[in-house]
Amino acid sequence: AQSVTQLDSQVPVFEEAPVELRCNYSSSVSVYLFWYVQYPNQGLQLLLKYLSGSTLVKGINGFEAEFNKSQTSFHLRKPSVHISDTAEYFCAVSALGRNQFYFGTGTSLTVIP
Amino acid sequence: ETGVTQSPTHLIKTRGQQVTLRCSSQSGHNTVSWYQQALGQGPQFIFQYYREEENGRGNFPPRFSGLQFPNYSSELNVNALELDDSALYLCASSPDSNYGYTFGSGTRLTVV
Repeated sequence: AQSVTQLDSQVPVFEEAPVELRCNYSSSVSVYLFWYVQYPNQGLQLLLKYLSGSTLVKGINGFEAEFNKSQTSFHLRKPSVHISDTAEYFCAVSALGRNQFYFGTGTSLTVIP
Repeated sequence: ETGVTQSPTHLIKTRGQQVTLRCSSQSGHNTVSWYQQALGQGPQFIFQYYREEENGRGNFPPRFSGLQFPNYSSELNVNALELDDSALYLCASSPDSNYGYTFGSGTRLTVV
Protein backbone atom coordinates (compact mmCIF):
# COMPACT_ATOMS: atom_id res chain seq x y z
CA ALA A 1 0.00 0.00 0.00
CA GLN A 2 0.97 3.62 -0.31
CA SER A 3 0.83 6.48 2.18
CA VAL A 4 1.48 10.20 2.15
CA THR A 5 2.70 12.47 4.91
CA GLN A 6 2.28 16.21 4.65
CA LEU A 7 4.65 17.56 7.23
CA ASP A 8 2.96 20.90 7.86
CA SER A 9 -0.72 21.18 8.67
CA GLN A 10 -0.71 24.98 8.46
CA VAL A 11 1.63 27.35 6.63
CA PRO A 12 1.22 31.11 6.98
CA VAL A 13 3.24 33.23 4.56
CA PHE A 14 3.31 36.87 3.59
CA GLU A 15 2.16 37.95 0.17
CA GLU A 16 4.90 37.87 -2.50
CA ALA A 17 7.12 35.67 -0.32
CA PRO A 18 8.20 32.19 -1.48
CA VAL A 19 6.58 29.08 -0.07
CA GLU A 20 7.34 25.37 0.11
CA LEU A 21 4.76 22.77 1.10
CA ARG A 22 6.36 19.49 2.05
CA CYS A 23 5.22 16.02 1.07
CA ASN A 24 6.79 12.63 1.73
CA TYR A 25 5.43 9.33 0.54
CA SER A 26 5.88 5.66 1.26
CA SER A 27 5.46 2.88 -1.25
CA SER A 28 6.95 -0.52 -2.07
CA VAL A 29 6.20 -0.03 -5.77
CA SER A 30 6.73 2.74 -8.30
CA VAL A 31 4.24 5.56 -8.01
CA TYR A 32 2.84 8.62 -9.67
CA LEU A 33 2.64 11.82 -7.61
CA PHE A 34 0.16 14.69 -7.58
CA TRP A 35 -0.67 17.97 -5.93
CA TYR A 36 -4.26 19.17 -5.70
CA VAL A 37 -5.69 22.43 -4.39
CA GLN A 38 -9.06 22.78 -2.69
CA TYR A 39 -10.73 26.15 -2.23
CA PRO A 40 -13.49 26.51 0.38
CA ASN A 41 -16.66 24.60 -0.49
CA GLN A 42 -15.18 23.33 -3.73
CA GLY A 43 -13.79 20.10 -5.10
CA LEU A 44 -10.17 19.33 -5.89
CA GLN A 45 -8.27 21.00 -8.72
CA LEU A 46 -5.13 19.41 -10.13
CA LEU A 47 -2.07 21.65 -9.76
CA LEU A 48 0.50 19.31 -11.25
CA LYS A 49 1.48 15.68 -11.60
CA TYR A 50 4.60 13.59 -11.98
CA LEU A 51 4.23 10.51 -14.14
CA SER A 52 7.71 10.14 -15.62
CA GLY A 53 10.56 12.12 -17.18
CA SER A 54 11.98 15.30 -15.71
CA THR A 55 11.83 15.34 -11.93
CA LEU A 56 10.98 19.05 -11.92
CA VAL A 57 7.33 19.47 -12.76
CA LYS A 58 5.67 22.77 -13.53
CA GLY A 59 1.96 23.25 -12.92
CA ILE A 60 -0.72 25.87 -13.02
CA ASN A 61 -0.71 29.20 -11.18
CA GLY A 62 3.09 29.33 -11.02
CA PHE A 63 3.53 26.24 -8.85
CA GLU A 64 6.22 23.64 -9.36
CA ALA A 65 7.30 20.48 -7.58
CA GLU A 66 10.38 18.29 -7.58
CA PHE A 67 10.29 14.52 -7.35
CA ASN A 68 13.13 13.15 -5.24
CA LYS A 69 13.11 9.37 -5.34
CA SER A 70 15.96 8.87 -2.88
CA GLN A 71 14.23 11.01 -0.27
CA THR A 72 10.73 9.86 -1.29
CA SER A 73 9.62 13.47 -1.41
CA PHE A 74 7.55 15.65 -3.72
CA HIS A 75 7.64 19.16 -2.29
CA LEU A 76 5.54 21.93 -3.80
CA ARG A 77 7.03 25.40 -4.31
CA LYS A 78 6.04 28.83 -5.51
CA PRO A 79 8.51 31.72 -5.70
CA SER A 80 5.96 34.45 -4.93
CA VAL A 81 2.51 33.81 -3.47
CA HIS A 82 -0.66 35.81 -3.90
CA ILE A 83 -3.68 36.26 -1.67
CA SER A 84 -5.64 34.06 -4.07
CA ASP A 85 -3.33 31.12 -3.25
CA THR A 86 -4.95 30.81 0.18
CA ALA A 87 -6.43 27.30 0.14
CA GLU A 88 -5.96 23.70 1.27
CA TYR A 89 -3.30 21.75 -0.62
CA PHE A 90 -3.23 17.98 -0.87
CA CYS A 91 -0.41 15.73 -1.96
CA ALA A 92 -1.46 12.37 -3.42
CA VAL A 93 0.20 9.20 -4.65
CA SER A 94 -0.97 6.42 -6.91
CA ALA A 95 0.69 3.12 -7.71
CA LEU A 96 1.38 2.61 -11.39
CA GLY A 97 -1.66 1.19 -13.14
CA ARG A 98 -3.95 1.38 -10.12
CA ASN A 99 -5.83 4.65 -10.73
CA GLN A 100 -6.44 4.97 -7.00
CA PHE A 101 -5.20 7.99 -5.09
CA TYR A 102 -3.90 8.04 -1.53
CA PHE A 103 -4.07 11.57 -0.17
CA GLY A 104 -2.23 13.28 2.65
CA THR A 105 -4.11 15.12 5.36
CA GLY A 106 -3.57 18.46 3.67
CA THR A 107 -1.69 21.70 4.29
CA SER A 108 -3.64 24.88 4.86
CA LEU A 109 -1.81 27.75 3.16
CA THR A 110 -2.73 31.21 4.39
CA VAL A 111 -1.30 34.19 2.54
CA ILE A 112 -1.06 37.26 4.73
CA PRO A 113 -1.41 40.70 3.09
CA GLU B 1 -15.77 25.31 -14.83
CA THR B 2 -15.83 21.69 -13.72
CA GLY B 3 -17.13 19.02 -16.08
CA VAL B 4 -18.31 16.86 -13.18
CA THR B 5 -21.59 17.72 -11.49
CA GLN B 6 -22.67 16.28 -8.17
CA SER B 7 -26.10 16.39 -6.55
CA PRO B 8 -27.33 17.30 -4.10
CA THR B 9 -24.78 19.77 -2.74
CA HIS B 10 -25.92 19.30 0.84
CA LEU B 11 -27.92 16.59 2.55
CA ILE B 12 -29.01 15.79 6.10
CA LYS B 13 -29.99 12.24 7.01
CA THR B 14 -30.83 10.38 10.18
CA ARG B 15 -28.74 7.52 11.50
CA GLY B 16 -29.92 4.21 10.05
CA GLN B 17 -31.34 5.73 6.87
CA GLN B 18 -30.13 5.12 3.34
CA VAL B 19 -28.79 7.75 0.95
CA THR B 20 -28.02 8.01 -2.76
CA LEU B 21 -25.55 10.55 -4.09
CA ARG B 22 -25.32 11.31 -7.78
CA CYS B 23 -22.56 12.30 -10.15
CA SER B 24 -22.74 13.34 -13.78
CA SER B 25 -19.49 13.13 -15.73
CA GLN B 26 -18.39 14.46 -19.08
CA SER B 27 -19.09 12.43 -22.18
CA GLY B 28 -16.34 9.91 -22.78
CA HIS B 29 -15.26 9.70 -19.14
CA ASN B 30 -15.31 5.95 -18.73
CA THR B 31 -13.70 5.89 -15.31
CA VAL B 32 -15.34 7.27 -12.19
CA SER B 33 -14.09 7.17 -8.63
CA TRP B 34 -15.71 8.13 -5.34
CA TYR B 35 -13.90 9.55 -2.33
CA GLN B 36 -14.94 10.35 1.24
CA GLN B 37 -13.40 13.43 2.83
CA ALA B 38 -14.02 13.78 6.54
CA LEU B 39 -13.64 17.20 8.10
CA GLY B 40 -9.97 18.17 8.34
CA GLN B 41 -8.81 15.09 6.48
CA GLY B 42 -7.69 14.17 3.02
CA PRO B 43 -10.02 12.29 0.69
CA GLN B 44 -10.16 8.51 1.10
CA PHE B 45 -10.79 6.18 -1.83
CA ILE B 46 -14.12 4.36 -1.67
CA PHE B 47 -14.28 2.60 -5.05
CA GLN B 48 -13.85 3.00 -8.79
CA TYR B 49 -15.92 2.00 -11.79
CA TYR B 50 -14.78 1.48 -15.34
CA ARG B 51 -17.33 0.96 -18.09
CA GLU B 52 -20.05 0.14 -15.52
CA GLU B 53 -18.04 -2.43 -13.58
CA GLU B 54 -16.33 -1.98 -10.22
CA ASN B 55 -12.58 -2.35 -10.68
CA GLY B 56 -11.15 -1.18 -7.39
CA ARG B 57 -12.32 -0.73 -3.82
CA GLY B 58 -10.88 0.92 -0.74
CA ASN B 59 -11.31 -0.03 2.89
CA PHE B 60 -15.04 0.65 3.13
CA PRO B 61 -17.75 -1.80 4.26
CA PRO B 62 -20.25 -3.35 1.82
CA ARG B 63 -22.97 -0.92 2.88
CA PHE B 64 -21.16 1.50 0.56
CA SER B 65 -22.12 0.53 -2.98
CA GLY B 66 -22.20 2.15 -6.37
CA LEU B 67 -23.43 2.08 -9.90
CA GLN B 68 -22.20 3.54 -13.17
CA PHE B 69 -24.55 4.06 -16.10
CA PRO B 70 -23.96 4.15 -19.87
CA ASN B 71 -24.74 7.89 -19.96
CA TYR B 72 -21.60 8.63 -17.84
CA SER B 73 -23.58 9.21 -14.67
CA SER B 74 -22.98 7.30 -11.47
CA GLU B 75 -24.35 6.79 -7.97
CA LEU B 76 -22.97 6.19 -4.52
CA ASN B 77 -25.35 4.42 -2.17
CA VAL B 78 -24.83 4.17 1.55
CA ASN B 79 -27.09 1.97 3.68
CA ALA B 80 -27.58 2.01 7.47
CA LEU B 81 -26.02 5.43 7.87
CA GLU B 82 -23.76 6.02 10.85
CA LEU B 83 -22.73 9.31 12.43
CA ASP B 84 -19.16 8.78 11.15
CA ASP B 85 -20.46 8.78 7.58
CA SER B 86 -20.81 12.54 7.86
CA ALA B 87 -18.36 13.89 5.29
CA LEU B 88 -17.87 15.51 1.91
CA TYR B 89 -18.27 12.91 -0.83
CA LEU B 90 -16.32 13.60 -3.99
CA CYS B 91 -16.78 12.12 -7.43
CA ALA B 92 -13.91 12.14 -9.92
CA SER B 93 -13.98 11.04 -13.54
CA SER B 94 -11.42 10.48 -16.25
CA PRO B 95 -11.52 9.67 -19.96
CA ASP B 96 -8.49 7.42 -19.80
CA SER B 97 -5.92 5.93 -17.50
CA ASN B 98 -3.50 8.84 -17.76
CA TYR B 99 -4.76 10.27 -14.49
CA GLY B 100 -6.56 13.19 -16.10
CA TYR B 101 -9.15 13.19 -13.34
CA THR B 102 -11.71 15.95 -12.90
CA PHE B 103 -13.27 16.27 -9.46
CA GLY B 104 -16.75 17.50 -8.72
CA SER B 105 -17.51 20.00 -5.96
CA GLY B 106 -18.87 17.27 -3.75
CA THR B 107 -21.93 16.47 -1.68
CA ARG B 108 -21.81 17.42 1.99
CA LEU B 109 -23.61 14.66 3.93
CA THR B 110 -24.53 15.21 7.55
CA VAL B 111 -25.84 12.27 9.58
CA VAL B 112 -27.70 13.17 12.77
